[in-house]
Amino acid sequence: EVQLVESGGGLVQPGGSLRLSCAASGSTFTSYAMSWVRQAPGKGLEWVSAISGSGGSTYYADSVKGRFTISRDNSKNTLYLQMNSLRAEDTAVYYCAKDTDLSAFDIWGQGTMVTVSS
Amino acid sequence: SYELTQPLSVSVALGQTARITCGGNNIGSKNVHWYQQKPGQAPVLVIYGDSNRPSGIPERFSGSNSGNAATLTISRAQAGDEADYYCQVWDSSTSRVFGGGTKLTVL
Repeated sequence: EVQLVESGGGLVQPGGSLRLSCAASGSTFTSYAMSWVRQAPGKGLEWVSAISGSGGSTYYADSVKGRFTISRDNSKNTLYLQMNSLRAEDTAVYYCAKDTDLSAFDIWGQGTMVTVSS
Repeated sequence: SYELTQPLSVSVALGQTARITCGGNNIGSKNVHWYQQKPGQAPVLVIYGDSNRPSGIPERFSGSNSGNAATLTISRAQAGDEADYYCQVWDSSTSRVFGGGTKLTVL
C-alpha cells in the first residue's frame, strides 16, 4: 500500500517562502493524482491544490492561486508545494493526499506544520 | 463557488444511531465522500462515492445522497467513533471542496 511522508514545514516570516515535499512509497506513483490539503489550528479541512498523475494539469484554490505552485517528480516519487508570499492565514498543518478516480482522498500523510509569523 | 454545509455538532447515545448531514445545491448529482478525523491525527476516508466503504471500515458506517443533502449514518455508535467528520465533493467550479466539519459526541 502507498505511504506518504511530508517534510519541509517550519516557521517562516510573512512574505517568505517555503517548499513542502511529500515522499510516496510503493509503485505506480504516476498513475494517480495528488493533492495538498491544509488545516489551520482548530479549523476544518481546506483543499489547497491538486496535480494530475503526469503533472500536466494543476489546480488551485482561490486562496493560494498565484502564490503556491504544485509539482511532482515521478522519477523520485515525490510531490512538492512551493509556497511564496506567505501570509499569517497560511499557518496550518499541510497534508498530502492521494486522489482516487472519484476525487476522494484515500491515503493521507501525517502532515507537516507551517507557521507564518514574525 | 460550491459550498457544503454541515451541522457544527451532533450527539448520540452509546449504541444508538448517529446521522450527520451535508447540504449542497443539487448534491445528489455529485459523488460525496466522508472523512473521520480524531484529534492529532490525519483524516481517514470512511465513505466514498456516496455509499461505498473502503476496506477496513466497519459496516456500521453507511452513506446516502439525494436531492440537496447527503447523510453519513453511524449505527451502534461506540466511544471510539467520537471524532470530527467532514464531507467532500468535486465540483467543476471549485475542484475539491470540504464541508465545515461536524463534531460527533458519543454520550
